[in-house]
Amino acid sequence: GAVVSQHPSRVICKSGTSVKIECRSLDFQATTMFWYRQFPKQSLMLMATSNEGSKATYEQGVEKDKFLINHASLTLSTLTVTSAHPEDSSFYICSAHSSANYGYTFGSGTRLTVV
Amino acid sequence: KQEVTQIPAALSVPEGENLVLNCSFTDSAIYNLQWFRQDPGKGLTSLLLIQSSQREQTSGRLNASLDKSSGRSTLYIAASQPGDSATYLCASGDSWGKLQFGAGTQVVVTP
Repeated sequence: GAVVSQHPSRVICKSGTSVKIECRSLDFQATTMFWYRQFPKQSLMLMATSNEGSKATYEQGVEKDKFLINHASLTLSTLTVTSAHPEDSSFYICSAHSSANYGYTFGSGTRLTVV
Repeated sequence: KQEVTQIPAALSVPEGENLVLNCSFTDSAIYNLQWFRQDPGKGLTSLLLIQSSQREQTSGRLNASLDKSSGRSTLYIAASQPGDSATYLCASGDSWGKLQFGAGTQVVVTP
């Protein structure tokens, strides 16, 4: 079945540094990738939608200069949290959507802790 | 804007009982409705996807129904097992692939 690989699974960084999270579709081409954020005991909140070769579309309230999204190929999207602060600590999950099927495949998530 | 609600927020049942998880949505013009399972600290596993034209989907012990007119979907898990303990999320999808998630129902199945 469709597999999405997300790395790293866990990262701790110092305040002010940047962190890059990768999301790869391993056995299918993802026309669209989505980035979600999840706070403890809460549901997933969509941050942005990225389509290969075009700029990401950010949801209202999400700072595009802080959360840089690049979707350079049909199998790779990256989320870079720039100048991270403790309030950016969260669980980030990507999902990939293919026009070949109606389902969504999620990565295993990245636990970001900013100290 | 679509709002998705899941009740109850938490549920504990003894092994062998059937589970009934509820999901409601405010905008009936959905493209699809999907149920996911999330284990602590993990990503999401897709369980069932119901297209807007369908009324239910089944996979093994899982059955999900969709009633667009009333804005509800129900996930049934038959003969629950301790391994079914997890958080179950429902999400409504639009034609662009965006998902709007409910807050989830945390399920504990006790041996």
